[in-house]
Amino acid sequence: DIQMTQSPSTLSASVGDRVTITCRASQSISFWLAWYQQKPGKAPKLLIYKASSLDSGVPSRFSGSGSGTEFTLTISSLQPEDFATYYCQQSHSYPYTFGRGTKLQIK
Amino acid sequence: EVQLVESGGGLVQPGGSLTLSCAGSGFSFSSYWMSWVRQAPGKGLEWVANIKQDGSEKHYVDSVKGRFTISRDNARNSLYLQMDSLRAEETAVYYCARLDRSGYYLDWGQGTLVTVSS
Repeated sequence: DIQMTQSPSTLSASVGDRVTITCRASQSISFWLAWYQQKPGKAPKLLIYKASSLDSGVPSRFSGSGSGTEFTLTISSLQPEDFATYYCQQSHSYPYTFGRGTKLQIK
Repeated sequence: EVQLVESGGGLVQPGGSLTLSCAGSGFSFSSYWMSWVRQAPGKGLEWVANIKQDGSEKHYVDSVKGRFTISRDNARNSLYLQMDSLRAEETAVYYCARLDRSGYYLDWGQGTLVTVSS
């Protein structure tokens, strides 16, 4: 199985900050990586697919990059509504696997 | 607007069975792979099972193989998850999700809570 390792597990930041979350795959997954945002009590929401493609309606302050085994999600200028938990997910091969999540909290 | 509405969750004893349903609307249900993903309380996301558009191909996480069955009824725009021999550690919110052919989750339902406890 492909293991997805996210870091950090918790990130404290302020409104307006630029933040980066990293996801590493235990083997190459090419660009088969997605990022999701989840708020408490809600379902996840797709942000980025195929490593760097922004889903429709997602603000342009979100961006994704990487290929192979190392990927990043960057939020260029944090907004109050961005404080949430973020997950990466690989769809290169079964079983599909998620990272353990990064909780982005207010500093 | 795409809508996915799960139902069927509840309290079940260890070793018991439960069937979850998911009603899809706002899209061509028969054109998409569908999926179940679960999330234990306070934990991360775990993929459970996927099913192809016509039901001819199914995939499961190893931990549920032989106990869970994913199925669909395209005439009813519905997805199902039959869960047998349930374990306490399978207590979770179970989400139904619409899958892009590239394997990422386009849309999610609101989830249904399954509690496995005596």
